[in-house]
Amino acid sequence: DTEVTQTPKHLVMGMTNKKSLKCEQHMGHRAMYWYKQKAKKPPELMFVYSYEKLSINESVPSRFSPECPNSSLLNLHLHALQPEDSALYLCASSQFLLYEQYFGPGTRLTVT
Amino acid sequence: SQQGEEDPQALSIQEGENATMNCSYKTSINNLQWYRQNSGRGLVHLILIRSNEREKHSGRLRVTLDTSKKSSSLLITASRAADTASYFCAMATEGAQKLVFGQGTRLTINP
Repeated sequence: DTEVTQTPKHLVMGMTNKKSLKCEQHMGHRAMYWYKQKAKKPPELMFVYSYEKLSINESVPSRFSPECPNSSLLNLHLHALQPEDSALYLCASSQFLLYEQYFGPGTRLTVT
Repeated sequence: SQQGEEDPQALSIQEGENATMNCSYKTSINNLQWYRQNSGRGLVHLILIRSNEREKHSGRLRVTLDTSKKSSSLLITASRAADTASYFCAMATEGAQKLVFGQGTRLTINP
């Protein structure tokens, strides 16, 4: 199984809502990532987990809260988002850091 | 900026022609990777080339790396309509624990 799954595919939320994005992989990868991507731009790294520990936080606002419950799952908890947070959120995994990354299809988030 | 520069930003060619995309970077790298992204979807890994390698092939794809010039190129031969996508290079820089993506090249293959 070489697939990274993400749910939901689409999400519309108000600025006062709390929601979560979920990501799952069953390839035994030890590194997992959250990226944010705006239209016609490259993916922008948000968080990196290595061996289930937060390795990198790219100065992401606290309204985004990552969680890695186990080696297969990665969550991104969202709270009090702003309209400018609307974007495609991509999850990825790799066997180890700096190895080739496998991306999920993304969650299209719209904040109203 | 640590980001790579890619050129051209956009490329439009006829089906069957070859497409070449270039990537330049600023710092020493551990490896350089190329990814493809179809509109609004996840990225797909194409090729990883290590800093001690000069060329790699995968099917119709050929990647070269010149560490003295800090540059890489991706060649797609005999292009097909299905190759229409955005292509990103991503640098694994020495000392960092992350990939840094270039700005991307939008490739359009016209039938």
